[in-house]
Amino acid sequence: ETGVTQSPTHLIKTRGQQVTLRCSSQSGHNTVSWYQQALGQGPQFIFQYYREEENGRGNFPPRFSGLQFPNYSSELNVNALELDDSALYLCASSSMGVTDTQYFGPGTRLTVL
Amino acid sequence: GENVEQHPSTLSVQEGDSAVIKCTYSDSASNYFPWYKQELGKGPQLIIDIRSNVGEKKDQRIAVTLNKTAKHFSLHITETQPEDSAVYFCAANRDDKIIFGKGTRLHILP
Repeated sequence: ETGVTQSPTHLIKTRGQQVTLRCSSQSGHNTVSWYQQALGQGPQFIFQYYREEENGRGNFPPRFSGLQFPNYSSELNVNALELDDSALYLCASSSMGVTDTQYFGPGTRLTVL
Repeated sequence: GENVEQHPSTLSVQEGDSAVIKCTYSDSASNYFPWYKQELGKGPQLIIDIRSNVGEKKDQRIAVTLNKTAKHFSLHITETQPEDSAVYFCAANRDDKIIFGKGTRLHILP
């Protein structure tokens, strides 16, 4: 059974740029959730994708967008990067929604200069 | 919206002693309460969860209790070991979201 993988592991961008982060879900899982974790804080829910459709969104502006592909892998896109977007971005996969066991990837550390 | 408060933010216990972390939630509709352990450089890992139809759940040295009336739940780790040192997060569901607490950094002292 393959776990959740994320790429890249680290990324440095400048303010105003755009970034795409990628996540491969665990085998057999059709739900992917994305979280932002600032230093010293708990993860904050960005949004969830279930069978290629957005299914729930947290308090993040529209410049945070995502996709889920037929193989259930997912992308998180952030446009017009701001300094406060610097954080660890985590994805988690599950069989059905957030109340099913979520398996987290190791995260992508994004630094915005 | 749902708010999850977690205490303490830092906890140091002697190896072999017990550790208790407490959380409160605000949304009475929440019915799923997972606990995660996060080690340095890794994503959170689920260690135990409890649903609102159960008051207590135990898995070896780890137990979680839930008081729905008071809207609080707690994590208990007995016979702590050095490998228990990590950051622990409680969480609660609200609609299709999971809301996390701010975390407790647990130090196990030799």
